[in-house]
Amino acid sequence: AQTVTQSQPEMSVQEAETVTLSCTYDTSESDYYLFWYKQPPSRQMILVIRQEAYKQQNATENRFSVNFQKAAKSFSLKISDSQLGDAAMYFCARTAGNMLTFGGGTRLMVKP
Amino acid sequence: DGGITQSPKYLFRKEGQNVTLSCEQNLNHDAMYWYRQDPGQGLRLIYYSQIVNDFQKGDIAEGYSVSREKKESFPLTVTSAQKNPTAFYLCASTLGRDGAYEQYFGPGTRLTVT
Repeated sequence: AQTVTQSQPEMSVQEAETVTLSCTYDTSESDYYLFWYKQPPSRQMILVIRQEAYKQQNATENRFSVNFQKAAKSFSLKISDSQLGDAAMYFCARTAGNMLTFGGGTRLMVKP
Repeated sequence: DGGITQSPKYLFRKEGQNVTLSCEQNLNHDAMYWYRQDPGQGLRLIYYSQIVNDFQKGDIAEGYSVSREKKESFPLTVTSAQKNPTAFYLCASTLGRDGAYEQYFGPGTRLTVT
């Protein structure tokens, strides 16, 4: 089965510091899309950032950026200037045709 | 406001009963999805539909059924054949059919079967 792996079940970061969440994946496709979703305690899934595999440039959304290494099948999320509101579960996901395959998630805690 | 609604937020059922979870979207999205989330785990795909009157099984379809009679609606029935139905269920929709677009999620339904 093609999988998405998040090797860090939990991470913590001091407020205003930077943290990087890891994600690796399998795929046999040459063209696909990668996503990071955030799930706060409310459990509402929210898109954080999206990366198109055919684009070499790493996606950026305000304080959130990715390090996309296509050959290594790696897609890490960097959160800069961490805020208390960033505390949540973060899920990495990869398209498989017209479906998404999700990783197991990383719980991020932000210390004031 | 456009969005996805799921009802109810909490649902309690006795073992052996079928139960239907509602999912409605007014985003005019083509594709809709049902996921199951267990504590501390990621999302697993149950069923998805790309067009009215058509749907496909996901990774864990056993014990579940769906229908897509209208573009806006994609209800999920948890049958008595589902061995461990207690879980958090999320519905999602997306504009296109090729996976390129963001999936928008509903607020979820927490199902407890005793």
